[in-house]
Amino acid sequence: AQKITQTQPGMFVQEKEAVTLDCTYDTSDPSYGLFWYKQPSSGEMIFLIYQGSYDQQNATEGRYSLNFQKARKSANLVISASQLGDSAMYFCAMREGRETGANNLFFGTGTRLTVIP
Amino acid sequence: EPEVTQTPSHQVTQMGQEVILRCVPISNHLYFYWYRQILGQKVEFLVSFYNNEISEKSEIFDDQFSVERPDGSNFTLKIRSTKLEDSAMYFCASPGGHGANVLTFGAGSRLTVL
Repeated sequence: AQKITQTQPGMFVQEKEAVTLDCTYDTSDPSYGLFWYKQPSSGEMIFLIYQGSYDQQNATEGRYSLNFQKARKSANLVISASQLGDSAMYFCAMREGRETGANNLFFGTGTRLTVIP
Repeated sequence: EPEVTQTPSHQVTQMGQEVILRCVPISNHLYFYWYRQILGQKVEFLVSFYNNEISEKSEIFDDQFSVERPDGSNFTLKIRSTKLEDSAMYFCASPGGHGANVLTFGAGSRLTVL
C-alpha cells in the first residue's frame, strides 16, 4: 500500500484565490511527521510546512496552512491568495517515527499547480 | 539560513562510466540522506548515513552505488557503472535549516546518462 497518496495530478487556480492540495497517508506508527515540499521548474525541493502527529493545532507558515485531519489520515495543503510564483509541483511526504534525523521520508507522486493570471 | 550544497548541478556521462556526486550537508547533524527523482516521477529514498556508516538503504541502492564521507564535511554518492536508467535528479538532504524535524534538501544534481 502507498504510504502517501496524492490524487490530484494537476490543479488550476486563479491568481489571488485559495487552493487546496490533497494528501492522504497510511501508517500504523503513532509517531509520524507530515511535510509539504514545493518543486519549481528549476528542480530544487523547497520545504513549506511541517505537522507532527501529536501537534494539537494545524500548522501554518505564512500563506500556507496544513489541514490535518488525523482520523481521516489526511494532511491537505491550503495555499491562500495564490501568486503566479506558486506555480510548481507540490509533494506531500511522511516520516514514520519520532525523529526526523533517524527516519527517511516517503513521498507522494505530487500535484502540479498552475496559477492562472 | 543553513544550506545543503550539491555539486555538480548537472552532469552528462556515457553509459558504463563512473560518476561521483558531492554534497556538503548542514553541519552538526549526524544524519544524511540521498534521494533520487527520475524525471516526472516521485522522489525516492536511496540511502541514509549516520555517523560515518550506512544506516538504511532502499532496494534501489544496489552494488553499483556507494556513499562515502571522504572528509569531515563532504559526502559523496558514487555510481560505479552508470546505466541509462540512472538518469535522474539526485538530492542530498540533512536535518536542520528549518528545525531538527525537517529535512533540508540540496538543489540537486541532474545526471544524464547517454
